[in-house]
Amino acid sequence: AQSVTQLDSHVSVSEGTPVLLRCNYSSSYSPSLFWYVQHPNKGLQLLLKYTSAATLVKGINGFEAEFKKSETSFHLTKPSAHMSDAAEYFCVVSDRGKLIFGQGTELSVKP
Amino acid sequence: DTGVSQNPRHKITKRGQNVTFRCDPISEHNRLYWYRQTLGQGPEFLTYFQNEAQLEKSRLLSDRFSAERPKGSFSTLEIQRTEQGDSAMYLCASSMPTGQGISPLHFGNGTRLTVT
Repeated sequence: AQSVTQLDSHVSVSEGTPVLLRCNYSSSYSPSLFWYVQHPNKGLQLLLKYTSAATLVKGINGFEAEFKKSETSFHLTKPSAHMSDAAEYFCVVSDRGKLIFGQGTELSVKP
Repeated sequence: DTGVSQNPRHKITKRGQNVTFRCDPISEHNRLYWYRQTLGQGPEFLTYFQNEAQLEKSRLLSDRFSAERPKGSFSTLEIQRTEQGDSAMYLCASSMPTGQGISPLHFGNGTRLTVT
C-alpha cells in the first residue's frame, strides 16, 4: 500500500523567511503526489500536484515541491513566508483511485 | 458557487441514534469520496464511488457505516447506532478521472458530527 510520512508535526518560521515542509513517500509504482492546505475552519485546498511530467512542481501562493525518486521525498518549499501561510499542510499520495493523506504539518508564522 | 456541498454543517446526536449526511458533488465529476478527519489528524479514507458503483470501502470501516450514490449524483453516508468515537468531521470530495492517474479531489467544507 502507498503511504506518506510527514517528518515534522509542527514547523515555526518568521515572516519573510523560507519554508520547508518535509514529506517522504512509500510507493510500489510511480506515484501521483499532492500537497493540500487546510486553514482553520476552512476546507482542504489543493496547493500542487505531481504526476511525473516534471520533477519540480509549482503551485499556488508561491509554493513549490520537488519530486526526488532517489530519496523518495516530495518536500514543500516557499522562499518567503507570509502570515497568511499559517495553516495545516498535508502531503498526499495516490493509491488505486483514492488519496492517502499524511498526518499533517502545522505551519506557524511569527511576525 | 458550484463546489462540493455538504449538509448539514453540524450534527449533534445522542449515542445510539442513527445519522445521515448528504454530499452534492461538482456536477461534471463522476467520482465521489468520503473521508473522516479527527482533530490533529489527516483525513482518513472511508469509501468512494465511480458514478453509482461503490468501488472501494475501507477495511477499517465498521459495518455501522454505509454509503450510497443511487443515481450517480449526490451521495449519502449513514452511521447507525452512533458511538462517541464516531465524533469527527466527515468530508466529501469529488473528482473527474483523467488519463494521467488520479485527478485532484475537490473537497466540501464537511459535516461535523458530535456524539454525546
